[in-house]
Amino acid sequence: QKEVEQNSGPLSVPEGAIASLNCTYSDRGSQSFFWYRQYSGKSPELIMSIYSNGDKEDGRFTAQLNKASQYVSLLIRDSQPSDSATYLCAVNRGSTLGRLYFGRGTQLTVWP
Amino acid sequence: DTAVSQTPKYLVTQMGNDKSIKCEQNLGHDTMYWYKQDSKKFLKIMFSYNNKELIINETVPNRFSPKSPDKAHLNLHINSLELGDSAVYFCASSTSTGIYTEAFFGQGTRLTVV
Repeated sequence: QKEVEQNSGPLSVPEGAIASLNCTYSDRGSQSFFWYRQYSGKSPELIMSIYSNGDKEDGRFTAQLNKASQYVSLLIRDSQPSDSATYLCAVNRGSTLGRLYFGRGTQLTVWP
Repeated sequence: DTAVSQTPKYLVTQMGNDKSIKCEQNLGHDTMYWYKQDSKKFLKIMFSYNNKELIINETVPNRFSPKSPDKAHLNLHINSLELGDSAVYFCASSTSTGIYTEAFFGQGTRLTVV
């Protein structure tokens, strides 16, 4: 069983729509959760972190965490073509060493 | 004013050669990492150093040897390069270890072994 699973996509949404990206993780002891955005040929860029159950909003981005279901999601409201990228979910399993486990990413395309 | 910088950005070399990748961060972070991203975009940790001390050493061939001369620098030396080593290698840094650690990545080094 993979540590962190994401739908590989591609996910295609029209401009202005809500894009919903999902991630599940296998270790119930996981403590912290991160979403990274990676444009083609570029490095991962941290866009959201979430540590507690519920929602966390930052601009057009909302991260949602449900530890009981071992599920974390990222919603992008009013999607823009510039949001087209691969979104990586990363999980810290409770290790104090700062080790992150990444999913394989979901490719998002926002078309005008 | 790049936060985490790696050199070189591209590296093409023949099998059997030895090569190094350098990384420097100016964020004042204590912890630095090497990640490998394969052709399927899977990002996996290789090593981590905290204040120049090795704290994570995943199952990586011992042809890979990290070195941290100080907490702002983490280099990766690879001996006897193989075709399977072709990947993008990312350096990252964070303020500290811990479960709330947020890692920031360098621009990556695309290594191609021919």
